[in-house]
Amino acid sequence: DTGVSQNPRHKITKRGQNVTFRCDPISEHNRLYWYRQTLGQGPEFLTYFQNEAQLEKSRLLSDRFSAERPKGSFSTLEIQRTEQGDSAMYLCASRYDPGPNYGYTFGSGTRLTVV
Amino acid sequence: DAKTTQPTSMDCAEGRAANLPCNHSTISGNEYVYWYRQIHSQGPQYIIHGLKNNETNEMASLIITEDRKSSTLILPHATLRDTAVYYCIVRGLSGSARQLTFGSGTQLTVLP
Repeated sequence: DTGVSQNPRHKITKRGQNVTFRCDPISEHNRLYWYRQTLGQGPEFLTYFQNEAQLEKSRLLSDRFSAERPKGSFSTLEIQRTEQGDSAMYLCASRYDPGPNYGYTFGSGTRLTVV
Repeated sequence: DAKTTQPTSMDCAEGRAANLPCNHSTISGNEYVYWYRQIHSQGPQYIIHGLKNNETNEMASLIITEDRKSSTLILPHATLRDTAVYYCIVRGLSGSARQLTFGSGTQLTVLP
């Protein structure tokens, strides 16, 4: 297992376009998390899945954002009608639950730039 | 989860010990202290965690005060590759459905 994989690593898009990111978690991890990180700040929680069920969404996740984990394995995060304020690093993490809170494994993220 | 306070930035000379403080005065009895770090352009990485006893692993040592209101992460021989943002997080050991909550962390710069 190569850890948590995120694609693409970088994405530049024009304002108003839609973008989709993919996260492939560690295979035996049933929990998958999405975070957003802006410059100089720590990661902020967006949403998480237990297997294929989306169990919690942050208030940061506006209706332009949607996340799926259709088969309980990989996940996608889509942003519709992108805005310049969406420019950030989008991080994915996974862990096995029930399990320790030190068991989070993060991917290297997708850096989105909206121009 | 209890709130944590960390200095914004610190410098350390290469080869010296880096001591990163964290205040968590509202920590409750069943909450652990976790440390993660984030090297530039990578996701956060787990370092160490502890409840009340001092802990050591291959990466670092964690010293927790007797009243558990503060802790210090020690990198005994800092290298240039330890330059990163270090996050102190307080929460329960396991079983919580909630996510990790990150603050702004401490930017540690190891100087040659």
